[in-house]
Amino acid sequence: GENVEQHPSTLSVQEGDSAVIKCTYSDSASNYFPWYKQELGKRPQLIIDIRSNVGEKKDQRIAVTLNKTAKHFSLHITETQPEDSAVYFCAASFSGSARQLTFGSGTQLTVLP
Amino acid sequence: NAGVTQTPKFRILKIGQSMTLQCTQDMNHNYMYWYRQDPGMGLKLIYYSVGAGITDKGEVPNGYNVSRSTTEDFPLRLELAAPSQTSVYFCASSRTGEGDYGYTFGSGTRLTVV
Repeated sequence: GENVEQHPSTLSVQEGDSAVIKCTYSDSASNYFPWYKQELGKRPQLIIDIRSNVGEKKDQRIAVTLNKTAKHFSLHITETQPEDSAVYFCAASFSGSARQLTFGSGTQLTVLP
Repeated sequence: NAGVTQTPKFRILKIGQSMTLQCTQDMNHNYMYWYRQDPGMGLKLIYYSVGAGITDKGEVPNGYNVSRSTTEDFPLRLELAAPSQTSVYFCASSRTGEGDYGYTFGSGTRLTVV
């Protein structure tokens, strides 16, 4: 089955700096890659996703890039703000299946004021 | 439109007890999932369902059972609870059509087995 590895496990940045979180996946058939943000004690919330036919997608301060050849994808957050502090999870799935998501282990992002 | 509703929010079980975690969605989603999240870890898939009457095992199904008698409901049953089942349980649902693959998660059930 699919295996998703996520790095780093913790990341601290100064407010206004950029943050980058990286994930690699094992199943070349995976074609959907979402990112979730989870605040303490809350449910995961989808923040951005990308399909395998696209190399990059942006939504305001958030962007995701995908390298299918290397089987890795990354989340980029620019101009970080204290409210960006949370745990971020990457995931991967194959749309031809029941779309079961395999999640990475998470990155605790702390934005220091 | 409530989305995905999970009950209870918190529960303490004694070793060997059983319980059912309830999950219901009102979005007419065919796909539903149960995940568990251990402290500081990612989410692991327990069971999933692609429609009423159809269920299948995920990565960590041992100690759990599910049923899907209606599109709306997808309860998770714990038999003979063990301390290793202490976790936060999330139910999620997803559309089946093209163009929208995102999960809608419930608010979670925090279970402690003592």
